[in-house]
Amino acid sequence: DADVTQTPRNRITKTGKRIMLECSQTKGHDRMYWYRQDPGLGLRLIYYSFDVKDINKGEISDGYSVSRQAQAKFSLSLESAIPNQTALYFCATCEPGDYYGYTFGSGTRLTVV
Amino acid sequence: SQQGEEDPQALSIQEGENATMNCSYKTSINNLQWYRQNSGRGLVHLILIRSNEREKHSGRLRVTLDTSKKSSSLLITASRAADTASYFCATDASSGGYQKVTFGIGTKLQVIP
Repeated sequence: DADVTQTPRNRITKTGKRIMLECSQTKGHDRMYWYRQDPGLGLRLIYYSFDVKDINKGEISDGYSVSRQAQAKFSLSLESAIPNQTALYFCATCEPGDYYGYTFGSGTRLTVV
Repeated sequence: SQQGEEDPQALSIQEGENATMNCSYKTSINNLQWYRQNSGRGLVHLILIRSNEREKHSGRLRVTLDTSKKSSSLLITASRAADTASYFCATDASSGGYQKVTFGIGTKLQVIP
């Protein structure tokens, strides 16, 4: 099994619908992150969580919400999807401290029509 | 503007040649990381260099960091077709409980067999 698993891998949804993207990890890390990737813009941080009780907004949190159900699970919700939320979404984990990089999931390709 | 900006945005070389990618950034950092992404897949952490380090090696990868110029380079020696991917730098300027890891828009490397 992958260290970081994202579901679904692909999703097409309609404008205005609520959608949840799920992420689970087996690394045992406390820190989890949600990023979105758009062509020409790199990765941008949506939300991050340093532990189950600690949730923080990233640079582009508007229109999104998250839930940290357990150390291993961190889900991202789009309350009312809009077309400019069409993107590739990545979940990532890391250990605290500056010696370690992120472990990323394989991504969810979301299309809002 | 992006904290980490890679240069060039695209690079095409013959198998066996060396590939050099550069990353410039604007603020002080704790460390700088390089990632690789195969098309549409998750990013894979390659190497992390701390702000007090100047050079680091991992297999065919060599990373340098010049904090006075706020720049880093990633050298891939003896490139292979399998190295074809996008490469991203990420700068970590986190402090206290505030997460500040910023990704660049990437360099797309094509290695021609």
